[in-house]
Amino acid sequence: EPEVTQTPSHQVTQMGQEVILRCVPISNHLYFYWYRQILGQKVEFLVSFYNNEISEKSEIFDDQFSVERPDGSNFTLKIRSTKLEDSAMYFCASSEPSDRRSQPQHFGDGTRLSIL
Amino acid sequence: GEDVEQSLFLSVREGDSSVINCTYTDSSSTYLYWYKQEPGAGLQLLTYIFSNMDMKQDQRLTVLLNKKDKHLSLRIADTQTGDSAIYFCAEKERNRDDKIIFGKGTRLHILP
Repeated sequence: EPEVTQTPSHQVTQMGQEVILRCVPISNHLYFYWYRQILGQKVEFLVSFYNNEISEKSEIFDDQFSVERPDGSNFTLKIRSTKLEDSAMYFCASSEPSDRRSQPQHFGDGTRLSIL
Repeated sequence: GEDVEQSLFLSVREGDSSVINCTYTDSSSTYLYWYKQEPGAGLQLLTYIFSNMDMKQDQRLTVLLNKKDKHLSLRIADTQTGDSAIYFCAEKERNRDDKIIFGKGTRLHILP
């Protein structure tokens, strides 16, 4: 069964450094998402992306965050200057090209980001 | 605002049925999901139900939706050790947002 893949599985970064989290969505999917889960808290929506632009973003997704689809397969989340509170599990998701609001989102295994 | 609540822990004996409950606040919720997270793994979509349905069954899984009470449940028949995981209830509005709102997850523990 096709799946969303994320790399790396664990990223350790010094505070203030830039980090890029990578995702390969399911191949025929056209809608992409990032979520995060701080330890012990709920999974929270960050951003959705379609047709090379952001569709929706949450209050968490401030100017420190950016997303990009650099080629036909990858979808990336960049955090420009990491803070301690960015430590979390980051999940990528994708959904099918038909009416996205009716299609379920399929998630990757996540990248655990640890900021030192 | 939108919120999804579920109990944090459930212990069930192997072979028994597990029932995981969830309540949500948004009356406009149209899509309701159950995701499973095994240790060290991602969020696996188990099943989902549209708000115009009351029940959905898929092998050992039964989802019941009570729209009046905004209550969703997931029943796992003949619970196995491989069902040990965290189960997340989640909801999404059809005509507004892309985002899914998740509950905190119910950790299902299987007793021998």
